Amino acid sequence: GQSLEQPSEVTAVEGAIVQINCTYQTSGFYGLSWYQQHDGGAPTFLSYNALDGLEETGRFSSFLSRSDSYGYLLLQELQMKDSASYFCAVDGQNFVFGPGTRLSVLP
Amino acid sequence: DAGITQSPRHKVTETGTPVTLRCHQTENHRYMYWYRQDPGHGLRLIHYSYGVKDTDKGEVSDGYSVSRSKTEDFLLTLESATSSQTSVYFCAISESGGQGTYEQYFGPGTRLTVT
Repeated sequence: GQSLEQPSEVTAVEGAIVQINCTYQTSGFYGLSWYQQHDGGAPTFLSYNALDGLEETGRFSSFLSRSDSYGYLLLQELQMKDSASYFCAVDGQNFVFGPGTRLSVLP
Repeated sequence: DAGITQSPRHKVTETGTPVTLRCHQTENHRYMYWYRQDPGHGLRLIHYSYGVKDTDKGEVSDGYSVSRSKTEDFLLTLESATSSQTSVYFCAISESGGQGTYEQYFGPGTRLTVT
């Protein structure tokens, strides 16, 4: 089967850096994705890692270690608008989302 | 933004009634998905389609059926709604699927309440 684990909540202050971890178990693996969802909104795509290493897109970076079945999303220079839920999703035998991490950014 | 619409956006229905939710896309993407989202469970896949008349079950398919007669439309039917099907339903599309799904684009969601 497939399963993912993420912390349920993370809190940080504006301007800080925060890392959201994701560990997964899967049969078959093509990549790990990250999605952002604001309250009342739809999930939106942030990044996709198919290979080991760090992918950077502006203030957001995503890391993958296939040997450790582990990835993380790194958010730098936090802004109030980054307060949202963040989901990792494994692209394997099926496409499965994690339970989500609620990030609260404080002033 | 990807052209995905869902209808209705909100619906209240009674236990035992059939309900159909519609997803419409203007992107001509091959793959379409239906998810439900409940607190503490993230997004769970109900059914997906990899082409016209080609569909398959997801993680939580019991009590749901789907149909795709045109590339642009993907219908989700609750055959006999139950209170456990109260949820927010999201449709999503992607250009690729299966081996390397990469990016999915989500519709705005439908909030369904079964009383």
